[in-house]
Amino acid sequence: RKEVEQDPGPFNVPEGATVAFNCTYSNSASQSFFWYRQDCRKEPKLLMSVYSSGNEDGRFTAQLNRASQYISLLIRDSKLSDSATYLCVGGYGGATNKLIFGTGTLLAVQP
Amino acid sequence: DVKVTQSSRYLVKRTGEKVFLECVQDMDHENMFWYRQDPGLGLRLIYFSYDVKMKEKGDIPEGYSVSREKKERFSLILESASTNQTSMYLCASSFLTFGGGRQETQYFGPGTRLLVL
Repeated sequence: RKEVEQDPGPFNVPEGATVAFNCTYSNSASQSFFWYRQDCRKEPKLLMSVYSSGNEDGRFTAQLNRASQYISLLIRDSKLSDSATYLCVGGYGGATNKLIFGTGTLLAVQP
Repeated sequence: DVKVTQSSRYLVKRTGEKVFLECVQDMDHENMFWYRQDPGLGLRLIYFSYDVKMKEKGDIPEGYSVSREKKERFSLILESASTNQTSMYLCASSFLTFGGGRQETQYFGPGTRLLVL
């Protein structure tokens, strides 16, 4: 079964902390990976795409390790507004357009 | 700016009713998707469509059907609603992948919270 697995958390961290989430995937054909952010009772929104070894956008860094089949998301200098659920997502690979979603990791940044 | 809209934010229906959920996107995306999201289970794909009048089953199509008569619009139909279809329903759209094993980013609508009594 093709899966994407994440630690559900919650991760409770103080403001200003650095926090890292890991995600493992079992489909070796996956070539596209994404991190989405989902606020409570809202829709998922794209945070970052990862097509090669990694990507960086401000305080957020994603890294892909194909040999070990995991993706990580690092958040530096956490803000209260970073509190959300972070979804790790992998592509099915091949010609299909489907994505496989993890169940999410809950982050709570404390003042 | 990508915009995906869904016809209702909240819906309450009775068991056995026929339910229509509509989704419209304005980015000329070829692909459209319907998911449901339940606590602890994450997003599960119900159906998707890569072109007008084309549809493919996702992981949990039982009890659902879909319709795509126009490129921008994708409807999810619950033929006879049941209480186990109470869920958050999310529509998404994306450009068509051009092979090479890559998938494109999906953009989501705000979701419809459906309660079946």
